[in-house]
Amino acid sequence: EDKVVQSPLSLVVHEGDTVTLNCSYEVTNFRSLLWYKQEKKAPTFLFMLTSSGIEKKSGRLSSILDKKELFSILNITATQTGDSAIYLCALTGPTGTASKLTFGTGTRLQVTL
Amino acid sequence: NAGVTQTPKFQVLKTGQSMTLQCAQDMNHEYMSWYRQDPGMGLRLIHYSVGAGITDQGEVPNGYNVSRSTTEDFPLRLLSAAPSQTSVYFCASSVRATNEKLFFGSGTQLSVL
Repeated sequence: EDKVVQSPLSLVVHEGDTVTLNCSYEVTNFRSLLWYKQEKKAPTFLFMLTSSGIEKKSGRLSSILDKKELFSILNITATQTGDSAIYLCALTGPTGTASKLTFGTGTRLQVTL
Repeated sequence: NAGVTQTPKFQVLKTGQSMTLQCAQDMNHEYMSWYRQDPGMGLRLIHYSVGAGITDQGEVPNGYNVSRSTTEDFPLRLLSAAPSQTSVYFCASSVRATNEKLFFGSGTQLSVL
């Protein structure tokens, strides 16, 4: 069974800190790894990573995939209280079909003043 | 910009009752799906549809039915509710089945007593 493990399970940091969230997996045959942010309710898309070693950036958030070591990290610099959320990692199947997404259980991030 | 709309937001059922969770999207997406989210288990796929008139089972389909008579709507039916179906349910869509970027609705919190 495909397995996606996220760590830490939860994290509390102070505003301004930098955090690194981890996503490791046991699947070797997949097309993409995706990161989502879940505030209150609906997960919202952050990044899709297909190639190893290429960093994706969006403002203070960045992510990279290491297909050799089977993990991805999501970095958030200069955290703000609005970054408080659950961050979800998901793997696609080998053909990238939407129906084959395997989600991790998420990392709950709380940013305090 | 409505996106993916789910109703109701909250529902309490008694064991054995039936109900339908509604999902509608206005983005002309071909692919629609239903997930459930339980503590410590991540998002799990219940049913999905790659287009009008086509549905298929996901990872946890038992106790649920779906239909896709139009591109816009994808209702999820609970046939005879059980306490094990207490969960948060998310509807998600994407442009097509080969596009892994999902757009999620805001969820339905269901309690079965």
